[in-house]
Amino acid sequence: SAVISQKPSRDICQRGTSLTIQCQVDSQVTMMFWYRQQPGQSLTLIATANQGSEATYESGFVIDKFPISRPNLTFSTLTVSNMSPEDSSIYLCSVQFTDTQYFGPGTRLTVL
Amino acid sequence: GQNIDQPTEMTATEGAIVQINCTYQTSGFNGLFWYQQHAGEAPTFLSYNVLDGLEEKGRFSSFLSRSKGYSYLLLKELQMKDSASYLCAVRDRTNQAGTALIFGKGTTLSVSS
Repeated sequence: SAVISQKPSRDICQRGTSLTIQCQVDSQVTMMFWYRQQPGQSLTLIATANQGSEATYESGFVIDKFPISRPNLTFSTLTVSNMSPEDSSIYLCSVQFTDTQYFGPGTRLTVL
Repeated sequence: GQNIDQPTEMTATEGAIVQINCTYQTSGFNGLFWYQQHAGEAPTFLSYNVLDGLEEKGRFSSFLSRSKGYSYLLLKELQMKDSASYLCAVRDRTNQAGTALIFGKGTTLSVSS
């Protein structure tokens, strides 16, 4: 399996500001994914981030709002830009390792 | 697109057996996953089925029928610690994300003594 860490684990932010979430993996992986889990809901895929290419965004998510970086095979960042209270959620980094997808511990974001 | 359905809530008692069903519709099926998620924690991988049949792993088993678009997760000898959400997820090769998983809404299982 892969061990995934995320920073920060939680944050409280003011509306209109931006937060960058970091994801670090202990193995080199090609496929990394970012998910959002709103309170009481299941996981929604935001985008797929492969090293060396632009991130692929799902319907309803755009690069200007959620810019992603993937500088190498063990690291990625997701920025939540110009935040509003509707962005309050848990953001999860995920990687595909062998045939299985593993999740980081998540970043719990509250926007006031 | 994809459509994944599973019951919202289930209850059971300690020591019992519970079966959580999942039906899915997808155009490029490439595997079905079950995850367990305790409140406030990240999902943890339970099982992966890509071929028809039953996969057994200790107290947990998962079944897949691709022709019926159907899977179930079977939990035996239930323990209080099994109280959690169980998420069914499908990998669809035609999804623009390629190999990312698309999740159902999850089934909240409550185990009582």
